[in-house]
Amino acid sequence: EPEVTQTPSHQVTQMGQEVILRCVPISNHLYFYWYRQILGQKVEFLVSFYNNEISEKSEIFDDQFSVERPDGSNFTLKIRSTKLEDSAMYFCASRFAGYNSPLHFGNGTRLTVT
Amino acid sequence: AQRVTQPEKLLSVFKGAPVELKCNYSYSGSPELFWYVQYSRQRLQLLLRHISRESIKGFTADLNKGETSFHLKKPFAQEEDSAMYYCALSGGASGTYKYIFGTGTRLKVLA
Repeated sequence: EPEVTQTPSHQVTQMGQEVILRCVPISNHLYFYWYRQILGQKVEFLVSFYNNEISEKSEIFDDQFSVERPDGSNFTLKIRSTKLEDSAMYFCASRFAGYNSPLHFGNGTRLTVT
Repeated sequence: AQRVTQPEKLLSVFKGAPVELKCNYSYSGSPELFWYVQYSRQRLQLLLRHISRESIKGFTADLNKGETSFHLKKPFAQEEDSAMYYCALSGGASGTYKYIFGTGTRLKVLA
C-alpha cells in the first residue's frame, strides 16, 4: 500500500536557523497538508495545499512558514527563522479528491529547536 | 467555529471489557467525522469514518447529529487496542479543506 514519506525523521536546529521539512505524498493524491503536534498536545492544522496554491491556513502559519511543491512529487514546509516554540512533531498528510476522502499521514519529523 | 472535543485524556479498561471513547463536535454544516488511531511510534492511521458505517477491528462509531457526537465503541477490548485515538472532523461538502482533530484519548487495555 502506498504511503506518505517524510524526511528527516528527526531534525535538530538552532534558534534562528531555517529548516526545510520534506514530504512525498501519495502519488495520485491532490490535497496536501501539514500538521504539527507539540509534545503532549493536540494535532494542529497548519496549512492545506491544492492545485499548487495554499487553500487554507491556520493562525499558526504566519510569515515564518511557507510551503512549496517544487516538483511533481515533493511537498516541503519551510520555517525561515526557527523559534524554541517551533519544537514539535510535524506531520505531512495527503488525500485524494472527494470531500470525504480520509487523510493519509506520514511518520512525522520531530523538530527540536535549541 | 469547528471544534472537536474528546473529554478523556486517558481511558483504562481491562481486557474483555467494553470501550467507549467519547467525541463531541461543533460545526454549523454537515461535517464528515473520522476516527484515527496512533499506535506506539507509528503514524496516524485512519480507523473508520462515519460515511462508511463500517466496523474496523471490532470498533464502530455512530454519528448522532442531535447530540453532535461520534463516540467510538468496542464491545470487548483487546490488549492490542492500546493506542492514542483521535476524533477528526472535516467540512464535508461545504468546501473547507482543513481537518480538525481532537486532543486525543489514550486507551490502555490492561491484562
